This record gives sequence, C-alpha cells and structure tokens, in this order.
Amino acid sequence: AAGVIQSPRHLIKEKRETATLKCYPIPRHDTVYWYQQGPGQDPQFLISFYEKMQSDKGSIPDRFSAQQFSDYHSELNMSSLELGDSALYFCASSLVVDRVGTDTQYFGPGTRLTVL
Amino acid sequence: GENVEQHPSTLSVQEGDSAVIKCTYSDSASNYFPWYKQELGKRPQLIIDIRSNVGEKKDQRIAVTLNKTAKHFSLHITETQPEDSAVYFCAARRRTYKYIFGTGTRLKVLA
Repeated sequence: AAGVIQSPRHLIKEKRETATLKCYPIPRHDTVYWYQQGPGQDPQFLISFYEKMQSDKGSIPDRFSAQQFSDYHSELNMSSLELGDSALYFCASSLVVDRVGTDTQYFGPGTRLTVL
Repeated sequence: GENVEQHPSTLSVQEGDSAVIKCTYSDSASNYFPWYKQELGKRPQLIIDIRSNVGEKKDQRIAVTLNKTAKHFSLHITETQPEDSAVYFCAARRRTYKYIFGTGTRLKVLA
C-alpha cells in the first residue's frame, strides 16, 4: 500500500540558509500535519491543512511557512535557519471521515534536518 | 493551555509481565486519543486508538481505557515481549485537527 512520502530524507544546511521540505500524502487523504521532533523529545505539532486550507497551528516559528497544493502535497518552508532547528520533521496524512470522527494519522519516514 | 502529561517517563518490566502507561489531558474539547510506538530514528506507528464516546478498546495484547470525566487515558500491554521495547507516546486531538503529544515513555522489556 502507498505510504506518505517525504523528501528529502536528509538535509544539511548552514545557519541563515533556507530549506524546503516536501510531503506527499497517501492518495485520497485530504489532511496533512507537520511535526518537529528534537532528540529525545516528543513530536511537536507545527501546522495542519484540511482540503488545502490551513486548519490549525501549533508552535510554528514565524520563520516557517507551509502550504498544501492542489494535488494535496504539502511543503514546509524554513528560512533564516538556526542551530535549534536541527530535528526530525515528520509529515502525516489522514482521511477525515467526518469532522467529529477519528482520522487516523499515517506518518511519513521523516526528514532529518541538520543545521551547521 | 493545552498539554498532555504522560507517566512514567521510563518503565522496565520483565518479559511476560504487564505494562501500564498513563496520560492526562487538559483540553476538554479533545475527542480522539491515539497511542504510538516509536523506535529510534523511525516514524511513530499507531498501535491503538480510542474515541471520546468509548470507554475501553482492546486489540490482542494491547488495550486502552478512557475516563472522560477525569480526562485520563491509559495504555495496557499484557504478556510483554522484548520487541515491545520502544518509546510510547500518547496523544490527544481536538476537533480542529491539532494533536498534542505526551512526553513519551521509554519501555524496556527485560528477557
């Protein structure tokens, strides 16, 4: 079965550079979530999109922005990178059954970002 | 504010024993509570979930209980095996598609 695809899997950047992470959800899934997970930390919710509209926001820095495109893939843009941005970034997708029901998240393999 | 407390942070059990991990959430609008297993450097994998209109759910050796009044839910693993060793996260989701994760429990099953 198709899974969530993230690219690139590994990314090394210098401080103050920019980075773009991409997420391709499972076909037919209409919701995308982005998470940041530092070493030994729990996944921190950044932002979610439902049907290409921003649904909710978490602890996403102003230096980061994200969008979901017409084909449902999503991109997380990170500017003015800082050392503290080094982390695993996960994308997850789900199919919303109804707006009050469950929507099981399926996680992608993650992008490991290292900022030097 | 929204937060999910998870206890214990580490748990060691003998193979074959049971393990219990507890979470408490603060947002009364939360309506869906998944549990994830994560191995080092890998993605979180859903192992069981429960909706707010259900009190208990079981899947083979894994069960989850929910007490909405107390805003408390727990993961129970019976007959633990070495391959159950991993970090386990609880999470709470409210209606607007925002998940708050607990801080994780590192489970070690001793052979």
